[in-house]
Amino acid sequence: AQSVSQHNHHVILSEAASLELGCNYSYGGTVNLFWYVQYPGQHLQLLLKYFSGDPLVKGIKGFEAEFIKSKFSFNLRKPSVQWSDTAEYFCAVNAPGRDDKIIFGKGTRLHILP
Amino acid sequence: EAQVTQNPRYLITVTGKKLTVTCSQNMNHEYMSWYRQDPGLGLRQIYYSMNVEVTDKGDVPEGYKVSRKEKRNFPLILESPSPNQTSLYFCASSLDSTGGVGEKLFFGSGTQLSVL
Repeated sequence: AQSVSQHNHHVILSEAASLELGCNYSYGGTVNLFWYVQYPGQHLQLLLKYFSGDPLVKGIKGFEAEFIKSKFSFNLRKPSVQWSDTAEYFCAVNAPGRDDKIIFGKGTRLHILP
Repeated sequence: EAQVTQNPRYLITVTGKKLTVTCSQNMNHEYMSWYRQDPGLGLRQIYYSMNVEVTDKGDVPEGYKVSRKEKRNFPLILESPSPNQTSLYFCASSLDSTGGVGEKLFFGSGTQLSVL
């Protein structure tokens, strides 16, 4: 079965630092990839998604992610974080040729110091 | 307003007392799903539904039941809750079900369940 690994469980950065959160998945076929964000006390919201085409995907709030098929990776990046980016971030994968499950990673808690 | 509505928002119950968490979406979405969120484990899929009368097990279906009699509703049923089902539950829906869940998931606000 497909799985998703997020390497960092807890990340602490200062404002204006650059961010990269790792995400790897384990399925060799066609995948749809997502990053979701959960702000404190709120439900998950979509940051960005990749289905096909340009492997560099731009999302909301200045986030972007790059799909590297050879590495089975979909890392999330932001060049300069803000205090308001403090949240938990989830990578997710769906394998449309396999089933209709959406598998989430365990999440990365991001804490931005003002 | 397009939304996924879950009720109740908070629920405290005792072991063995049957409960239902309701979920309703007003977007005519085909795909609906239930997740539980636990610290350190992220979101794990309990059940999902591709359309009316079509449901499938996710990764952690034990102890749960669902039904999809209408397109808009997807209730989660705990016939005999146990303390290990204490968790934060999210319902979600998505438009596209053919060829995979290609559209984004819309999440409800969550139900915090405590089983004593």
